[in-house]
Amino acid sequence: GAGVSQSPRYKVAKRGQDVALRCDPISGHVSLFWYQQALGQGPEFLTYFQNEAQLDKSGLPSDRFFAERPEGSVSTLKIQRTQQEDSAVYLCASSLDTSSYNEQFFGPGTRLTVL
Amino acid sequence: GQNIDQPTEMTATEGAIVQINCTYQTSGFNGLFWYQQHAGEAPTFLSYNVLDGLEEKGRFSSFLSRSKGYSYLLLKELQMKDSASYLCAVCSGGYQKVTFGIGTKLQVIP
Repeated sequence: GAGVSQSPRYKVAKRGQDVALRCDPISGHVSLFWYQQALGQGPEFLTYFQNEAQLDKSGLPSDRFFAERPEGSVSTLKIQRTQQEDSAVYLCASSLDTSSYNEQFFGPGTRLTVL
Repeated sequence: GQNIDQPTEMTATEGAIVQINCTYQTSGFNGLFWYQQHAGEAPTFLSYNVLDGLEEKGRFSSFLSRSKGYSYLLLKELQMKDSASYLCAVCSGGYQKVTFGIGTKLQVIP
């Protein structure tokens, strides 16, 4: 496909479980972002990759959150020992290069529900 | 840090014009985005302003005043499909880090 894809689209986890969320950016896009969006809120920045390098992880809420992009394309966001407050939609976005005027293309998101 | 303010909800009538305001406080300003997000869907790009003034794109226009830390999105000839959340987002810093506002939920009524 031509757009950003994410899987799974929906994930239900029991509190304490580990989850892994996948993002396939648009082919050739250098920049990749992860956001967390709670109900009724705007997306909150989590982390940023330029190719395989994680240049900013200042938005990750705790050390239970970990992201990687080992080959500079597909990225995985892992949440360990999930808590109820982790319930949200996790959005991935990619951008062609690092220029600030480049729009970010968003995937459909993964809706995580922690019981 | 960043601070972005926009109204949480607005209602407008089909065929009318609506203006959604956004004020921001930031350092290292690079530009301002507007995104549209339908319920349960991903945000989609509407506009990007880096210089002061009005950018027009079809029924949608976006305005920026950097000195006032102010932007607005103008939607003309409203259609029912325009019912969505409109996200104001500021790009700042050394790369494309974007900070989103809470979003304005627009309801278009017949």
